[in-house]
Amino acid sequence: DSGVTQTPKHLITATGQRVTLRCSPRSGDLSVYWYQQSLDQGLQFLIQYYNGEERAKGNILERFSAQQFPDLHSELNLSSLELGDSALYFCASSVGAGKNEQFFGPGTRLTVL
Amino acid sequence: KNEVEQSPQNLTAQEGEFITINCSYSVGISALHWLQQHPGGGIVSLFMLSSGKKKHGRLIATINIQEKHSSLHITASHPRDSAVYICAALVTDKLIFGTGTRLQVFP
Repeated sequence: DSGVTQTPKHLITATGQRVTLRCSPRSGDLSVYWYQQSLDQGLQFLIQYYNGEERAKGNILERFSAQQFPDLHSELNLSSLELGDSALYFCASSVGAGKNEQFFGPGTRLTVL
Repeated sequence: KNEVEQSPQNLTAQEGEFITINCSYSVGISALHWLQQHPGGGIVSLFMLSSGKKKHGRLIATINIQEKHSSLHITASHPRDSAVYICAALVTDKLIFGTGTRLQVFP
């Protein structure tokens, strides 16, 4: 158990819908990262927050957005869902930003029908 | 060409064998991560290194910054080591992932 929690574990929804994925980092960690793992593209970095502020952005679509709240938990919002958004979404956390070991949550499996 | 390349893509071994997985990268990095992903999907961080060598139990990771190459070694492999091993380069706060090496260890 990494200490990072993600909810829900599984999510099935339809195209065009909007969903919210939630992540709680390890106690004391200030950074939260979001990753997408799809069959055709592998693992990709989406976005990083550090202590409430966006710190780094990767291949995140405009239909996706994230935020980190004052209690340091984070949410990833996915809207206007498409079939291709079906993937495993991982959250990870680390103590600081940059060169720190990252601890991964169990992931949320999103299926868009 | 991917910025992070792993080889081999698939690896089969008999229990007890010495395993080596290679990772090459073409970008400047501040660190390199080795991750393990089990069949259920969970990801575990094995190592983060920026120079030299690290050892944890039967796992050893090395990195050569000049050659832009890292290796993950598993000594005395065991069926429970069966998983996908992923290297990831840390490039200015972003992790760039290799495509993974699927390892199967048979008794």
